[in-house]
Amino acid sequence: AQSVTQPDIHITVSEGASLELRCNYSYGATPYLFWYVQSPGQGLQLLLKYFSGDTLVQGIKGFEAEFKRSQSSFNLRKPSVHWSDAAEYFCAVSPAGGTSYGKLTFGQGTILTVHP
Amino acid sequence: ETGVTQTPRHLVMGMTNKKSLKCEQHLGHNAMYWYKQSAKKPLELMFVYNFKEQTENNSVPSRFSPECPNSSHLFLHLHTLQPEDSALYLCASSQDGAEGETQYFGPGTRLLVL
Repeated sequence: AQSVTQPDIHITVSEGASLELRCNYSYGATPYLFWYVQSPGQGLQLLLKYFSGDTLVQGIKGFEAEFKRSQSSFNLRKPSVHWSDAAEYFCAVSPAGGTSYGKLTFGQGTILTVHP
Repeated sequence: ETGVTQTPRHLVMGMTNKKSLKCEQHLGHNAMYWYKQSAKKPLELMFVYNFKEQTENNSVPSRFSPECPNSSHLFLHLHTLQPEDSALYLCASSQDGAEGETQYFGPGTRLLVL
């Protein structure tokens, strides 16, 4: 069965600092990979996704993520964090085919706090 | 309306009440999902509908009853809930065979069971 681990439950950064949120997955083949963001009281907004090709993907709000097959990782990065980035971030994977195609498995989430 | 909408946004109900959550997607998708998001737990997939047919039921108690009358609308009927059912219920939709079945989420319904 596939699984997703976000090792950091809570991260605090200063505004303007760089950010990296970690995501590791366990799956027999390369899955489809996603990052979502959730502001308090809101649903999940898609930040970016990886299916194939270039392992560095760009998303909305200045975020990017890099797929590293050898490390089974899909870490999210942003060079300069803004106070409005404070939210909870979820990494998710889905199989790239088969009977479980399209079924998302989510990590536990990482809460980002931004200090002024 | 655009994207995925959910009503109501907040709901308080007693354990003997019957209520329904509504989800509508305006994206032309053909698959819809219900998720439960509880504090301190990962999102749990509850139900999946594809072309209006239920294709997934992740051992959800029968007090939750989904209904998908067409590919744009999804309901979750609630009856005799328990306090532990208090959570954020999220609806999502995707297009079968497109974008790796990327799911787009609604804002959720915050449910409190007293």
